[in-house]
Parts: sequence; C-alpha cells; structure tokens
Amino acid sequence: GAVVSQHPSRVICKSGTSVKIECRSLDFQATTMFWYRQFPKQSLMLMATSNEGSKATYEQGVEKDKFLINHASLTLSTLTVTSAHPEDSSFYICSARQGPYEQYFGPGTRLTVT
Amino acid sequence: AQTVTQSQPEMSVQEAETVTLSCTYDTSENNYYLFWYKQPPSRQMILVIRQEAYKQQNATENRFSVNFQKAAKSFSLKISDSQLGDTAMYFCAFMKPLAGANNLFFGTGTRLTVIP
Repeated sequence: GAVVSQHPSRVICKSGTSVKIECRSLDFQATTMFWYRQFPKQSLMLMATSNEGSKATYEQGVEKDKFLINHASLTLSTLTVTSAHPEDSSFYICSARQGPYEQYFGPGTRLTVT
Repeated sequence: AQTVTQSQPEMSVQEAETVTLSCTYDTSENNYYLFWYKQPPSRQMILVIRQEAYKQQNATENRFSVNFQKAAKSFSLKISDSQLGDTAMYFCAFMKPLAGANNLFFGTGTRLTVIP
C-alpha cells in the first residue's frame, strides 16, 4: 500500500519559537494533502486542505498565519507552527490522497511546547 | 456537511469473542464510500475496511466484516475472534468523491479494549 511519512515524529520546542513538520508521500503523487490535529482521546480535527501549487484552505477557527502550510510538490507538504505556545501542544497528523477516495495517513507528530 | 455518529465511546470484549461497533451517518449523497479506521496506541491510522455505497454486498477482510444498511444509513463493524492486538480506537468515516477538497468525515471514535 501507499506510504506517507512524517518528520519529526516528536518535537519539543520553546514557547515563541517556530517548528516545521514535513509530510511526504513516498511512493505516489498526492495532489491533495490534509493536516489534522488530534487531542487525547478525541477524533481527528481537520485543520486545512492543501493542493499542490495553490494556497491551503483552512477550516473555520484555524489561524492561517499561525499554521503555515506549504504544498510545494506532489510529494511534500509542510506545516509550520509559528510562535508556538503551550496550547499548540498536540498530535498532528497528515494524510495524502491518491485518486478520488484513497487517503493514506502519516504516523503523526507529537509537538510539545514548553 | 456530512455527519458520522458513533454512539459507543468505549467497548470491551473478551479475547476470541465477537464484538460489533456501530456507526450511523447522515447524507443526501447517493455515491459515497464508508471506512473503518483503527488507531492503536502508536497513533498510526490504519485502514481496516472499505465499503462502496453502490455495492450491496457487505465488505469483509479476514476477521473484520461490516453490516452496511444503506437505507438506514448504518455501517457497523464486526470483529470476530478478537485478539489483543485489536485493542485500539476505531473511527468510522464517510467519504464522497470530491477532488481537491476535504471529503472525509470522521466519527468521534469507539475505544475498544480486548480483555485477555
């Protein structure tokens, strides 16, 4: 099956700094990628949808200036959390779509802001 | 927006027994897909089973099978011969074919514990 990787798997950063998370589709081209946030014992909450070569579409309530998404190629999307604060600590998951209905998930990144 | 409801926040089952997780959804679409995803403690989302709405036959994958009732908008997951490795969060999801935009909607999840 298709594989999606995320890097890093865990990151700890200080409050006020920025951190970048990479999402790569390893063996297929993904025209659309998605970023989710998951709080403990809760479902996945969609943050944004990104299409290669165009601006990301953010869900209501998600600050686009805080969560910068770049989908530079058909295999790479990045999420940058700018000026991170402790409340941004969470588990972030990306997914990549292949075809009209196949969507594959990365292993997630645990962000801790101290 | 589509809504997906999982009414069982937590369930438990004895090892080797059978358990059924329920899911209902609301849509006006006729062409769509339904999924069950498993999220073990590692947090990796794993596709368990997929059902196309146009197919009347229920999907099966080894010990996992679904009961798809299109008119009732119900999509339950049956796990037979439960194993300790089945312990995980299970998410029901609805997808409609739509290029370039979000089309995957998750339920709130059911935490399944398999008891040895």
